[in-house]
This record gives sequence, structure tokens and C-alpha cells, in this order.
Amino acid sequence: GAGVSQTPSNKVTEKGKYVELRCDPISGHTALYWYRQSLGQGPEFLIYFQGTGAADDSGLPNDRFFAVRPEGSVSTLKIQRTERGDSAVYLCASSFDGGSYNEQFFGPGTRLTVL
Amino acid sequence: AQKITQTQPGMFVQEKEAVTLDCTYDTSDQSYGLFWYKQPSSGEMIFLIYQGSYDEQNATEGRYSLNFQKARKSANLVISASQLGDSAMYFCAMSHSGNTPLVFGKGTRLSVIA
Repeated sequence: GAGVSQTPSNKVTEKGKYVELRCDPISGHTALYWYRQSLGQGPEFLIYFQGTGAADDSGLPNDRFFAVRPEGSVSTLKIQRTERGDSAVYLCASSFDGGSYNEQFFGPGTRLTVL
Repeated sequence: AQKITQTQPGMFVQEKEAVTLDCTYDTSDQSYGLFWYKQPSSGEMIFLIYQGSYDEQNATEGRYSLNFQKARKSANLVISASQLGDSAMYFCAMSHSGNTPLVFGKGTRLSVIA
């Protein structure tokens, strides 16, 4: 079956611009996560959805970052007024809600470069 | 708050030898999960192995095993019979039980030498 997909794979933008990053999770997975991975670091949590609602958005660095998942499947991470420090790989993961733990399946990521 | 520490920025191992990647964690939770992921140069995160805090036996998945020492708060990954394709970044991570976000360490870059 299809894994988690993310588009675009690469995005180059200019400082101050608005960008949208898309994540298509594995079909049937109710939980969806966004992480950000800077060079030489491990992924850092941004936001987590359970169905359509954001269950935890404590990792969003500031109000320029926003994410939606209107139908409980595809999610879009939106970044306003981009800054050079936003350059990173944005990873999306999904998992099935059941059992004592839930393996998170990751997408290939979107590499964002802010010039 | 949960925290993962990986103290080995890089490791080298000879092909066919075993290697241990260190991971220590800090949490006040009684119930938690520990994970190891592999990230090749292609960038995707590949799940390797999971250990629950209440699991009494160490987890094993093929050539991967997790040396879980709860009192020492360590969850080291052991890779047996290393292969050239094992060269990658390895991340230790933890979560509360159930569907919760992962907290990752900084990773260890493993290089397997022929």
C-alpha cells in the first residue's frame, strides 16, 4: 500500500513569503504529526492531529505557523512571513489509533529553503 | 518533560561485527515507549524497534535488539552482523503511551566499513 506522501519534496522561497506544505497520510491512520528537522539535529515535534482536530500544537514555534486537517486525512502546514531560520526539512508522520503504542510512519519530508 | 540523550555523534564498525548505539532518557512518566529509527542519506525515517516501559523482555527485530535497562534509564540499540547498508543516522526516541508525539535525540551517525 501507499506510504505517507509529502509535497513538494523541495521548496525554495524568499524571506517574507507564504508557503504551504502538504501531507497525505496512510489511509485509515487517524493520527498525524508534523516535525521539523534542522541540519544535524533530530526531528522536533510541531503539531499533532487526532482526526480533524489538533490534539497538541505546543511545538509550533510562533503564530506564523499553522496547520489544518479539515477532513481528517490530508494535512497542510502553513507558514506565513517566512524567515531564514525556518529553513529545514519538514517531516510528516501518521499512525493508527489502537494498541498500547503506535508506530509512526514517516513521509520523505519537504526540504524548505528560505533565501 | 521527556529528554533523550545520544552521546555518540559518530560510530564506526567493521562489516559483520556487532555495534551498540547508546541512548539514555529522562522522564517522570511510569508508562512510556522507546523507539529507534534509522535515517539513511535519502532522508526517510525508518522504524526499527520498540520497547514498552512495562515490557520485561528486551525487544528484538531480526538483527536489531534493544538493551533496555530501566533502572539506568538506558535503551541501547544493538545491531548484530553489521552490513554496509546499515550506514545511516540512527535516532532514539520516546513517547508517552498511545498516540503521542515522539521526542528524539540528536542521533548517531553509523558508518560500516568493509
